[in-house]
Amino acid sequence: DTGVSQDPRHKITKRGQNVTFRCDPISEHNRLYWYRQTLGQGPEFLTYFQNEAQLEKSRLLSDRFSAERPKGSFSTLEIQRTEQGDSAMYLCASSSTTAGVLTDTQYFGPGTRLTVL
Amino acid sequence: SQELEQSPQSLIVQEGKNLTINCTSSKTLYGLYWYKQKYGEGLIFLMMLQKGGEEKSHEKITAKLDEKKQQSSLHITASQPSHAGIYLCGADGRTTSGTYKYIFGTGTRLKVLA
Repeated sequence: DTGVSQDPRHKITKRGQNVTFRCDPISEHNRLYWYRQTLGQGPEFLTYFQNEAQLEKSRLLSDRFSAERPKGSFSTLEIQRTEQGDSAMYLCASSSTTAGVLTDTQYFGPGTRLTVL
Repeated sequence: SQELEQSPQSLIVQEGKNLTINCTSSKTLYGLYWYKQKYGEGLIFLMMLQKGGEEKSHEKITAKLDEKKQQSSLHITASQPSHAGIYLCGADGRTTSGTYKYIFGTGTRLKVLA
């Protein structure tokens, strides 16, 4: 399967614990994105990488959240000291884009559903 | 800031009926993307529209972007139970300062009755 993969698919944790999610993009895609989606809402942008550089972070991404893409391939999203409000689906997407092209078709993984008790 | 509004929020149709979902932007779109999401799963890319007046089709799904590039419609012909899910429009809402912003509508929940 050459699509975007995410691990784990489901995570249940207790409030205050740290969690880490992994995303493997489509190979050779230079951009990788993280989104959060709550029930009944569309995905909300969190952050994105171009290769290994984190180019933008949403204000939604508090200091408890950190994302990395150390070698420009897979990425991890870590949430420290989880809160009940962090419960959501965390989606990863990747794309292949070039300078000067304004459109950006993203391909999404299946998501990681986080439940904080 | 740019927003995407989808209508209707939910839709229940009988199998075989046609339906239309609309997506309206408050600003001109660089690109408009349609995705389908099954409950609790990731998004599946359907189509991308870029040019004013553009129309694309895939199987029984047709998407159009108006000339002003602020409104798009998704039309399903002869709906089937397999079309059920959440349809989301997304847009590359790059700001004038170049800040990246990819936004989504809230989705339209489609149920098709057999």
